[in-house]
Amino acid sequence: TQLLEQSPQFLSIQEGENLTVYCNSSSVFSSLQWYRQEPGEGPVLLVTVVTGGEVKKLKRLTFQFGDARKDSSLHITAAQPGDTGLYLCPASNDYKLSFGAGTTVTVRA
Amino acid sequence: KAGVTQTPRYLIKTRGQQVTLSCSPISGHRSVSWYQQTPGQGLQFLFEYFSETQRNKGNFPGRFSGRQFSNSRSEMNVSTLELGDSALYLCASSLGQGAMYEQYFGPGTRLTVT
Repeated sequence: TQLLEQSPQFLSIQEGENLTVYCNSSSVFSSLQWYRQEPGEGPVLLVTVVTGGEVKKLKRLTFQFGDARKDSSLHITAAQPGDTGLYLCPASNDYKLSFGAGTTVTVRA
Repeated sequence: KAGVTQTPRYLIKTRGQQVTLSCSPISGHRSVSWYQQTPGQGLQFLFEYFSETQRNKGNFPGRFSGRQFSNSRSEMNVSTLELGDSALYLCASSLGQGAMYEQYFGPGTRLTVT
C-alpha cells in the first residue's frame, strides 16, 4: 500500500501571502490528485498530475509533480479567504484512494 | 453536466437503528465508491461498486453494506447503528473501476447517531 505524507498539517496565513503544501512518499505514483474540501462538503478535485516534472496552473494555484513522481507540491500565490479549506493529495492504491490527514489551510482576511 | 448527488444531506438516527444512504453518480460514470470521514480517522474507503457488483471492500464490519443499480445509482446501508458510526459519508463516482480514474465526490451525508 502506497502511503503519502502531507505537510504541514495546519497552516494559517494572512490574505495576500503565499503558501506551499507538500505531499511526499517513498513510492512512485502513476498519477496524483489534489482535492480541496470545505467544512461539511465533499472534496473537490482540483487537478491530476501524471508526468514527472509536470507543472499545472489553476489561476493562483500551481501544482508540481516531482521528477521521480514520488512527491508533489501545491503553491498558492496571494492567498484569499476563499482558499480556506482542507487540501488533500490521496495516494492511488489500485482500487481506492488512500487519504492522509491533509493540510488545513486558513486564510485570514 | 450535473455532479454527484447524495441524499439525504443530514440524518439523525438512534443507536441500534439502521440507515440507508443514496448516491447518484455523474451521468456516464459506472463506478461508485463510498468513504467514511471522521475527525479522528480522516477519509476511509468503505467499498466500490462497478457494474452492479461490489469490486473492493475496505476494513469495515459487515454492518456496512451497499448495492448498485443498473443505472449506476448506489445505496449504502448501515445496520445496528453505533455511536461511532457518526460521520460524513461520501460517495465518489468515476468513469471506470479503480483509482486510476479520477474520482468526483458528492457533498456527503452527515449522519449523527444518538
